Amino acid sequence: SQQGEEDPQALSIQEGENATMNCSYKTSINNLQWYRQNSGRGLVHLILIRSNEREKHSGRLRVTLDTSKKSSSLLITASRAADTASYFCATDKTGAQKLVFGQGTRLTINP
Amino acid sequence: DAGVIQSPRHEVTEMGQEVTLRCKPISGHNSLFWYRQTMMRGLELLIYFNNNVPIDDSGMPEDRFSAKMPNASFSTLKIQPSEPRDSAVYFCASSLNPLSTDTQYFGPGTRLTVL
Repeated sequence: SQQGEEDPQALSIQEGENATMNCSYKTSINNLQWYRQNSGRGLVHLILIRSNEREKHSGRLRVTLDTSKKSSSLLITASRAADTASYFCATDKTGAQKLVFGQGTRLTINP
Repeated sequence: DAGVIQSPRHEVTEMGQEVTLRCKPISGHNSLFWYRQTMMRGLELLIYFNNNVPIDDSGMPEDRFSAKMPNASFSTLKIQPSEPRDSAVYFCASSLNPLSTDTQYFGPGTRLTVL
């Protein structure tokens, strides 16, 4: 079964609003990463949060990690049309050397 | 740096034909990953290499799939014979550190269509 699962599967908001996406996983992890994929492109790394961290910021992105609930959230503030993309969380299992990606959240920012 | 380079970007072939996908990782990166992405199954890891050595090929769907990494700057994924259900976007990714799940840098992908 998949290690990471995003919620919601699709999200549509107005430009300027904040977008929140969630990721749940099943087993202990070393770190959790978020990636963005624009239509027809490869994935682009956004941010990595380690298991001993609870929150991390990068520009308009804020990621939280709750290891007790095995969940993470990605918040994009002041959304822009260019943020329209699919967003994936990726987790590693402790002791494993590979990432497992969720199915992604498809985010649409309406002008 | 040019990033991860994949070729071809698009491939259309007929069932039964051999398909070879190519990848050039970022110079200096020690790990290379092959993924397949479909609407139904999402992004699946097929195989990954550390320092040119295959580490985990448990995601390779069948014996029809094979991957090689003859040197640090080149890898191939071969499907022989190809089938319509192999139609997908195939991504190659590389990362710097082979000892942990480091940030991965993805190529633009190869869109494969098997008729």
